[in-house]
Amino acid sequence: AAGVIQSPRHLIKEKRETATLKCYPIPRHDTVYWYQQGPGQDPQFLISFYEKMQSDKGSIPDRFSAQQFSDYHSELNMSSLELGDSALYFCASSLQGAVGANVLTFGAGSRLTVL
Amino acid sequence: AQSVTQLGSHVSVSEGALVLLRCNYSSSVPPYLFWYVQYPNQGLQLLLKYTSAATLVKGINGFEAEFKKSETSFHLTKPSAHMSDAAEYFCAVTLSGGSYIPTFGRGTSLIVHP
Repeated sequence: AAGVIQSPRHLIKEKRETATLKCYPIPRHDTVYWYQQGPGQDPQFLISFYEKMQSDKGSIPDRFSAQQFSDYHSELNMSSLELGDSALYFCASSLQGAVGANVLTFGAGSRLTVL
Repeated sequence: AQSVTQLGSHVSVSEGALVLLRCNYSSSVPPYLFWYVQYPNQGLQLLLKYTSAATLVKGINGFEAEFKKSETSFHLTKPSAHMSDAAEYFCAVTLSGGSYIPTFGRGTSLIVHP
């Protein structure tokens, strides 16, 4: 079965540079989520999109932006990178209208290291 | 707002021993509760979920969890630990009729000794 695909899996950047992460959700899933997981931390919700529109916003810094495209893939753009942005970035997708609880399917993550 | 608290950042058991990972939730409305597992360098995988049906929920890999409203708990158990169970376990909550954005606990690292 198709899973959530994230690219790149690993990324190394210098401070003040820009990074872009991509996410391809499971086909027919209508909601995409971005989470940031620092070393030894729980995943922190950044932002989500439902049917290509931003639906919820969490602790996403102003230096970050994200969008969902017509083919449902999503990109997380991070500018003016700081050392503290080094983390594992997860994308997840779900079917918003599913009966019962909303189960997220996570990608393997993109590990960003800022030097 | 909803939240979950996982007691114990690390739990260490011997292979074959009972696994008990604790999770308490806080919610103003009936919650949906989840346990996810994360293996090194991998994404989170759903172990099981509670959606207001049966209070005892069975998941994959022999894990189960029991929803106890009176104790606001959703502890994860497995009768006999296996070496392959060593991973990070996260409890999460969403709200019925509300935000579907899961709020995660801080995670519990399960260590299994031979």
